[in-house]
Amino acid sequence: AQSVTQPDIHITVSEGASLELRCNYSYGATPYLFWYVQSPGQGLQLLLKYFSGDTLVQGIKGFEAEFKRSQSSFNLRKPSVHWSDAAEYFCAVGGRRSSASKIIFGSGTRLSIRP
Amino acid sequence: DTAVSQTPKYLVTQMGNDKSIKCEQNLGHDTMYWYKQDSKKFLKIMFSYNNKELIINETVPNRFSPKSPDKAHLNLHINSLELGDSAVYFCASSQGASGGYTFGSGTRLTVV
Repeated sequence: AQSVTQPDIHITVSEGASLELRCNYSYGATPYLFWYVQSPGQGLQLLLKYFSGDTLVQGIKGFEAEFKRSQSSFNLRKPSVHWSDAAEYFCAVGGRRSSASKIIFGSGTRLSIRP
Repeated sequence: DTAVSQTPKYLVTQMGNDKSIKCEQNLGHDTMYWYKQDSKKFLKIMFSYNNKELIINETVPNRFSPKSPDKAHLNLHINSLELGDSAVYFCASSQGASGGYTFGSGTRLTVV
């Protein structure tokens, strides 16, 4: 069964510091991989996605993620965080069948920014 | 234009009542979903419709009944509301498996 693990429940970083949020997945084949961000009281916004090809994926708001098949990981990175990046971040995995496809979400990592 | 819109945004109701949440997408997507987000922010899929056909029906009490009158709309009706139904319900849509989902802004349901 597919699953997603985000081992860090809450991370605090200083503004301007670099960020890495961890994500590990379990899936029988190469899945689709996603990172979403949820600001307080808002819906989820897609930051980036991996389907195939280049394992380093660029997203919106200066985020990037790297797919490492050998480690079953898809960690999210940003070189310099801004106070507006404070939010909940969700890693997700989806199947490649177009029908009956569903995305399974990790439990989320809450990011706080220290001024 | 909002891509995926849900109404209402907030819903406060008493136990035992019946309520509906509506969702509409104007993206031309063929698949729509309902997710439930609990108080710990955990997101769990409830239902999925592809071109008006139910394709995913997770372990959800049969008090919850989705209805898709056309591929742009997916409504969620809940009968006999219970305290444990309090959560944020998100509608989402996608085109196939690869596009990722576009989410609505959520409906916060509070059962008192």
